[in-house]
Amino acid sequence: SAVISQKPSRDICQRGTSLTIQCQVDSQVTMMFWYRQQPGQSLTLIATANQGSEATYESGFVIDKFPISRPNLTFSTLTVSNMSPEDSSIYLCSVRTGTASYEQYFGPGTRLTVT
Amino acid sequence: GDSVTQMEGPVTLSEEAFLTINCTYTATGYPSLFWYVQYPGEGLQLLLKATKADDKGSNKGFEATYRKETTSFHLEKGSVQVSDSAVYFCALSPAGNTGKLIFGQGTTLQVKP
Repeated sequence: SAVISQKPSRDICQRGTSLTIQCQVDSQVTMMFWYRQQPGQSLTLIATANQGSEATYESGFVIDKFPISRPNLTFSTLTVSNMSPEDSSIYLCSVRTGTASYEQYFGPGTRLTVT
Repeated sequence: GDSVTQMEGPVTLSEEAFLTINCTYTATGYPSLFWYVQYPGEGLQLLLKATKADDKGSNKGFEATYRKETTSFHLEKGSVQVSDSAVYFCALSPAGNTGKLIFGQGTTLQVKP
């Protein structure tokens, strides 16, 4: 298993500003992902965070809006840029601990409200 | 593309009732299938998984069988408890071991004493 922490746990931001969310894992992991859960909705994958290279984004998500870094095997950041109220969501980091394991663990999430 | 469809909620049951939450999927090849649970105020947790056809995942009294012929992965429990009240998500990981998950819309279960 893996223990995942996220900072901040919640924030209220003004439109037009940016917020960087941090994800820290207690052990080295092979894969890290960022998801979004809009109010009352399911989870949607934003991107796969690749260690030492550019993230792989899903359809509908772009690097300019959601830049991601992953400098090592235990840490990643997601920035939500030029925010609008539509970006109000819970943002979750998740990890897989090995390529042979199908289990994926999720962080507690960052609840973002944009006013 | 790949997708997951869950029965709409909320589902309200009395304690000790039988639970079924339907989940069907559309996918290319042989995905892996999962049920996740989100208890009130808590993070998302893996409940059970099945990685190939006819596999049965089980945990905490919950079961689900990977049915390739009907592209289904229905969640069942013989006797629910108040503590099972939560939101349940069916999910698939596409063939190819990319690790990404595609989630259903979630089903809220409320169990009354």
